Amino acid sequence: EIQLQESGPGLVKPSQSLSLTCSVTGYTITSGYDWSWIRKFPGNKMEWMGYISNSGSTNYNPSLKIRISITRDTSKNQFFLQLNSVTTEDTATYYCARYIWELGVMDAWGQGASVTVSS
Amino acid sequence: DIMMTQSPLSVAVTPGESASISCRSSKSLLHSNGITYLSWYLQRPEKSPQLLIYQISNLASGVSDRFSGSGSGTDFTLKISKVETEDVGIYYCVQFLEVPYTFGAGTKLELK
Repeated sequence: EIQLQESGPGLVKPSQSLSLTCSVTGYTITSGYDWSWIRKFPGNKMEWMGYISNSGSTNYNPSLKIRISITRDTSKNQFFLQLNSVTTEDTATYYCARYIWELGVMDAWGQGASVTVSS
Repeated sequence: DIMMTQSPLSVAVTPGESASISCRSSKSLLHSNGITYLSWYLQRPEKSPQLLIYQISNLASGVSDRFSGSGSGTDFTLKISKVETEDVGIYYCVQFLEVPYTFGAGTKLELK
């Protein structure tokens, strides 16, 4: 059974970088599919941030394009989110998920990591 | 970006009754391959989003058949029959036709 788990700092200062790790077990991220980051803001709005494919290519939400980077460590079966120059508007719960493009579904999600941007 | 508009934003349902949630997209979600990339998710309190329905009407594995989806093109509906306590949460429609994938604002379902 596939499982995803987010980890990283829960508090980040404005103007600094937010870094999160998604650790995947039960499936090898190079075997297939796309590996996404999604966030949920206070008030329930959800935003897809971007993904890294099984081949290592990336695709980002244009609204974040100049600030976001998604990378991976295949030896650890992990992928990462870095969001630069954060503001209080980036306070959210961050989720990683597997996207199966043949079906058009994100079928497996992590439990979420709450990140607060505050000085 | 494709805009997803859900209604209502909140609904209160008596257990055992039915509920319907509508979702409208600003562009047809029908791909040239014949698949319509519209999914529904439920986020229960303190939980991650759970896939309910994909490609308009396909029930995800392990999901109760009290959930059903319908629609086409730009107009979609999620129906929950015989609402139970475990159905409480926020329901989202999502389009996966093109990036950036976009979500509806969410519909909060509560029990009367």
